[in-house]
Amino acid sequence: SQKIEQNSEALNIQEGKTATLTCNYTNYSPAYLQWYRQDPGRGPVFLLLIRENEKEKRKERLKVTFDTTLKQSLFHITASQPADSATYLCALEGQTGANNLFFGTGTRLTVIP
Amino acid sequence: GAGVSQSPSNKVTEKGKDVELRCDPISGHTALYWYRQRLGQGLEFLIYFQGNSAPDKSGLPSDRFSAERTGESVSTLTIQRTQQEDSAVYLCASSLETGEETQYFGPGTRLLVL
Repeated sequence: SQKIEQNSEALNIQEGKTATLTCNYTNYSPAYLQWYRQDPGRGPVFLLLIRENEKEKRKERLKVTFDTTLKQSLFHITASQPADSATYLCALEGQTGANNLFFGTGTRLTVIP
Repeated sequence: GAGVSQSPSNKVTEKGKDVELRCDPISGHTALYWYRQRLGQGLEFLIYFQGNSAPDKSGLPSDRFSAERTGESVSTLTIQRTQQEDSAVYLCASSLETGEETQYFGPGTRLLVL
């Protein structure tokens, strides 16, 4: 069965620096990968989707890469702000053609002022 | 416009009791999903509805769990004879149509089984 690993449970960085979060997956070749943000007591909020034929996608201060050879996605937040502090979840389609998402356990990011 | 809503926001119940959780998807969204998130864990897929098609129940952990959806509107997730390991946040999400990969989540129902 597929497995997702997010690099660390928690990551602390200084305000203004670039945060880099890692998502590795095994036993699977998803057609797309998504990143969500989850704040305490709330449901996840969609941020970015990247497809298997895309190497990189950007949205404002966010950048996602997708390396299907390494089976890895990197999620970058540039010029980080304390408001970026949250848990970031990586998600793949559950299996080929499935409609559900398979989520990683998330990385809790804290941006220190 | 209104997002996905869920009720109740919190539920405390005794072991062995049945509970019913409700989800109101975004209007016009044909696909609806239920997930479970245990403390410190990732989201675990439970069940998926798409229009009038038979639901995908492949994620339901036991026959104590069931869900219904009326047309393309409200869904209820029922847990019978609750156990302490059922304690979790139950999240509902909806999406516009099949193949629309982005899911919009509700705030969740926090279930505590004593």
